[in-house]
Amino acid sequence: TQLLEQSPQFLSIQEGENLTVYCNSSSVFSSLQWYRQEPGEGPVLLVTVVTGGEVKKLKRLTFQFGDARKDSSLHITAAQPGDTGLYLCAGGASEKTSYDKVIFGPGTSLSVIP
Amino acid sequence: DAGITQSPRHKVTETGTPVTLRCHQTENHRYMYWYRQDPGHGLRLIHYSYGVKDTDKGEVSDGYSVSRSKTEDFLLTLESATSSQTSVYFCAIKGIGTGAFFGQGTRLTVV
Repeated sequence: TQLLEQSPQFLSIQEGENLTVYCNSSSVFSSLQWYRQEPGEGPVLLVTVVTGGEVKKLKRLTFQFGDARKDSSLHITAAQPGDTGLYLCAGGASEKTSYDKVIFGPGTSLSVIP
Repeated sequence: DAGITQSPRHKVTETGTPVTLRCHQTENHRYMYWYRQDPGHGLRLIHYSYGVKDTDKGEVSDGYSVSRSKTEDFLLTLESATSSQTSVYFCAIKGIGTGAFFGQGTRLTVV
């Protein structure tokens, strides 16, 4: 069974601060995605990383995939209230060549206080 | 926005009755997924499909069945609803090499 863990579970910070959230597993993933979910809505895809060591930037968000493809981090610079939400990581594991079974971590709930 | 719709958006049903939730996509994506989301458990995979008539179980498949007779539709059936199946259900679609795109969710209450 492939499991994803995320830390911290909850994070409350002041506007303008920097933060990092983590996604870890004992399994290797073919790809890893980060999503943000707001109350009453479905998760929205932020980024997909597929290569070990890969770094992607999306405005103030920086995503990194671990060299061994077992972990990832999301760093937010100068957080804003609009960044508030539940951040989910998800792993795409190809157990067969014909499909992708996407499983999710439990999420990090971020609150940015003005 | 990805072309994915779930129906119904809200449903209240009685214990023991069958319930079917529908997910419809207009993106022609190969993969479709059903998840449930509950406080403290995150998103848990119920069933998924990797093609027409090709489905497999996820982490929490007991009490659920699925069918995919067309590329665009993925149905989730609760064979005999129980109170433990009260949850928010999300459908997702995914292409090869892409991330997943989610529907708006269905809030199901079993009384």
